[in-house]
Amino acid sequence: KNEVEQSPQNLTAQEGEFITINCSYSVGISALHWLQQHPGGGIVSLFMLSSGKKKHGRLIATINIQEKHSSLHITASHPRDSAVYICAVTALSGSARQLTFGSGTQLTVLP
Amino acid sequence: GAVVSQHPSRVICKSGTSVKIECRSLDFQATTMFWYRQFPKQSLMLMATSNEGSKATYEQGVEKDKFLINHASLTLSTLTVTSAHPEDSSFYICSALRGKSTDTQYFGPGTRLTVL
Repeated sequence: KNEVEQSPQNLTAQEGEFITINCSYSVGISALHWLQQHPGGGIVSLFMLSSGKKKHGRLIATINIQEKHSSLHITASHPRDSAVYICAVTALSGSARQLTFGSGTQLTVLP
Repeated sequence: GAVVSQHPSRVICKSGTSVKIECRSLDFQATTMFWYRQFPKQSLMLMATSNEGSKATYEQGVEKDKFLINHASLTLSTLTVTSAHPEDSSFYICSALRGKSTDTQYFGPGTRLTVL
């Protein structure tokens, strides 16, 4: 079993829909990260959180430490949101603040 | 904001040659950089942790003599793929930690390596 699991693996939505991507992890963490990878490969860090909720524009990330679960929400989705969204954690037992990655969620938003 | 660059963005080389990939933090000092490898439709796999002024720490299964890492300054780490083979073809991404007390990693745009 992977330490970080994401669902769904693939998600297709119509423009304007509300989108949720889920992430569950099985280890103690100091932080959870949501990353966005565009088709060209470049990765952007969207959020880093260790508790509660963060919002940036149309993106919202929440985390429940007790349940070891995080969600990434996209409101009013747009075709430009199409990308791979990756959940990653900084494990408490790890060294040098390494990240453990989920397998990613491929999001396609259709116009 | 923090910017990390990689050079080259794409490289095609012949089998048996060596290829050097540079990772630079453009507007901050990075004592720690990470090198990742990504196969198509898979997530990132950590290859090694690069610390400025010391030897890199390689993950299990990564050959240190094949993937040479040099972190000679606070803004530059290099990954050299020696005696490249077609199975080394992959997408290589670096990231950098800004400062010693942060967990936020800033990622480079990646380098697509194709070995013929």
